[in-house]
Amino acid sequence: AQSVAQPEDQVNVAEGNPLTVKCTYSVSGNPYLFWYVQYPNRGLQFLLKYITGDNLVKGSYGFEAEFNKSQTSFHLKKPSALVSDSALYFCAVRDLTGGGNKLTFGTGTQLKVEL
Amino acid sequence: DAGVIQSPRHEVTEMGQEVTLRCKPISGHDYLFWYRQTMMQGLELLAYFRNRAPLDDSGMPKDRFSAEMPDATLATLKIQPSEPRDSAVYFCASSRTQNEKLFFGSGTQLSVL
Repeated sequence: AQSVAQPEDQVNVAEGNPLTVKCTYSVSGNPYLFWYVQYPNRGLQFLLKYITGDNLVKGSYGFEAEFNKSQTSFHLKKPSALVSDSALYFCAVRDLTGGGNKLTFGTGTQLKVEL
Repeated sequence: DAGVIQSPRHEVTEMGQEVTLRCKPISGHDYLFWYRQTMMQGLELLAYFRNRAPLDDSGMPKDRFSAEMPDATLATLKIQPSEPRDSAVYFCASSRTQNEKLFFGSGTQLSVL
């Protein structure tokens, strides 16, 4: 079975400061990892993905994520947060080896960026 | 492309009534997914299709939920009879292949009174 954990329900950060939203995963095979963002009353939007290659993945809106196989983590980061980054962030995983097409989402982390 | 289109945006109904949610996937996308979002459970996968054929609907309550794709431009999720615990936001998403990102619709907010 595959699963994702987002240990923080909410993350608060001041505008201009770096931000990190944490994600750990569990799969039996090789992971295929995503980050999505959800703004109020909207569907989820794709930010970035990791399937193979460089452990540091760059995505939309200046976000990046670092894949760490030994720690089974895929934390989302941004060097300088903006108020407009405030939203709900979801980590998701699919097991590439035997997981079918199912994408399992975490419970989400509410990011609040304040002036 | 207009993206994934869901209708209606909001649906309020009474317990016991039939509810039909509709989704138009992005043209050329082979995969279609139905998700349900609640505060308690987060995002749950209800069912998904490949080339209109159902691949997995193990996330759906079988006795009351049914999902179909009558053609490549329309997917439906029916709830009959509806219950208050079905109140949630239902999202449809599509992707071109199994390894590509999902494109989500704006969702249907369902309230069952």
